[in-house]
Amino acid sequence: ETGVTQSPTHLIKTRGQQVTLRCSSQSGHNTVSWYQQALGQGPQFIFQYYREEENGRGNFPPRFSGLQFPNYSSELNVNALELDDSALYLCASSPVGTFYNEQFFGPGTRLTVL
Amino acid sequence: AQTVTQSQPEMSVQEAETVTLSCTYDTSESDYYLFWYKQPPSRQMILVIRQEAYKQQNATENRFSVNFQKAAKSFSLKISDSQLGDAAMYFCAYRSGVETSGSRLTFGEGTQLTVNP
Repeated sequence: ETGVTQSPTHLIKTRGQQVTLRCSSQSGHNTVSWYQQALGQGPQFIFQYYREEENGRGNFPPRFSGLQFPNYSSELNVNALELDDSALYLCASSPVGTFYNEQFFGPGTRLTVL
Repeated sequence: AQTVTQSQPEMSVQEAETVTLSCTYDTSESDYYLFWYKQPPSRQMILVIRQEAYKQQNATENRFSVNFQKAAKSFSLKISDSQLGDAAMYFCAYRSGVETSGSRLTFGEGTQLTVNP
């Protein structure tokens, strides 16, 4: 149990729709990262938020966006869903303090796009 | 860009035996961190062990140890006295030591480990 929670657990959407995934980090974790994990593959970095601002992005289009809130929660929004967006979405948070900041992962949200 | 390669999609081991999972990576950086993560069917990614590139000594955590060969860019995980609870997908991951890169992790494709009773 890492103290990082995600909701919902599972979600089914249709192509073209929009989706919001949520993550709740541990108190004091001011950095959150989001990853996309397609079936049978390793997680791919989407972006990272630090103190409510995006400060790093992977090779994902702008229809993937995020928000981070002062209460250590965050959101991943995906617009105009495509079939290839079907994946497990993981969030990971890191505590304040040292540069080396271990990431604590949530259990993920399984998104299916039909 | 950094890449991480795990060449063993699947591995199996008998309970109480030892198994080694392989990982290679490619980077032009001199300062970085390497990790092994475990992902059981519950999907929650759990940190198994980490290695700082500037440390020559191989990291050890109880039954888990690594063989870090910086020149060869190799980072293997050895699991001793394998237990049924070790069965999971194992991911090798890289993180840059450049501060502006933040906490971004680059993962390999994973190795599915089966432990046979």
